[in-house]
Amino acid sequence: GAGVSQSPSNKVTEKGKDVELRCDPISGHTALYWYRQRLGQGLEFLIYFQGNSAPDKSGLPSDRFSAERTGESVSTLTIQRTQQEDSAVYLCASSPISGLAGEQYFGPGTRLTVT
Amino acid sequence: SQQGEEDPQALSIQEGENATMNCSYKTSINNLQWYRQNSGRGLVHLILIRSNEREKHSGRLRVTLDTSKKSSSLLITASRAADTASYFCATDGATDSWGKLQFGAGTQVVVTP
Repeated sequence: GAGVSQSPSNKVTEKGKDVELRCDPISGHTALYWYRQRLGQGLEFLIYFQGNSAPDKSGLPSDRFSAERTGESVSTLTIQRTQQEDSAVYLCASSPISGLAGEQYFGPGTRLTVT
Repeated sequence: SQQGEEDPQALSIQEGENATMNCSYKTSINNLQWYRQNSGRGLVHLILIRSNEREKHSGRLRVTLDTSKKSSSLLITASRAADTASYFCATDGATDSWGKLQFGAGTQVVVTP
């Protein structure tokens, strides 16, 4: 069956430009997560959508970062005025369980390079 | 800040040997999960152990959890070259991070033929 998909797989952008990253979760999964992973490091939580509840945005590093989700489907992560420190792999995950965290299913990630 | 901390940061073993890595965390948890990541891309879920469980097995994997010490270990028996990857523990905090996982920095495992 279809897993979590992300696009683009790679994105190179110039400093100061805006970028939009897309995540298609597994159908029927109510929870959706965005993480950032810098080279050689662990995952840094960014934002969490759970059903129709207000998203948990506590991990967004600055107001240049925002994310939207349409119902229980596609999500987009937008980074405005990109900086070099935004270079990282951005991972999306979805989960069928809302509330108590269970297994998360990860997409392949988008590798963002800001030049 | 990261909840889980893996130890060691890197591990190099030969095929057939066992690989053991540890994870320590700071706050109470509902469950602890282990994930594998190949080539810096998407993570794959390996095993979940709940806070009221002490040990769990899945194939060549064995996970233990000691909530009194706030630590967990992942043992991979009879390792194979295909086990080369980074391994992360992730915790679901019992009080302040409902529904979210906090990941450690990972253990990089290299299995040589």
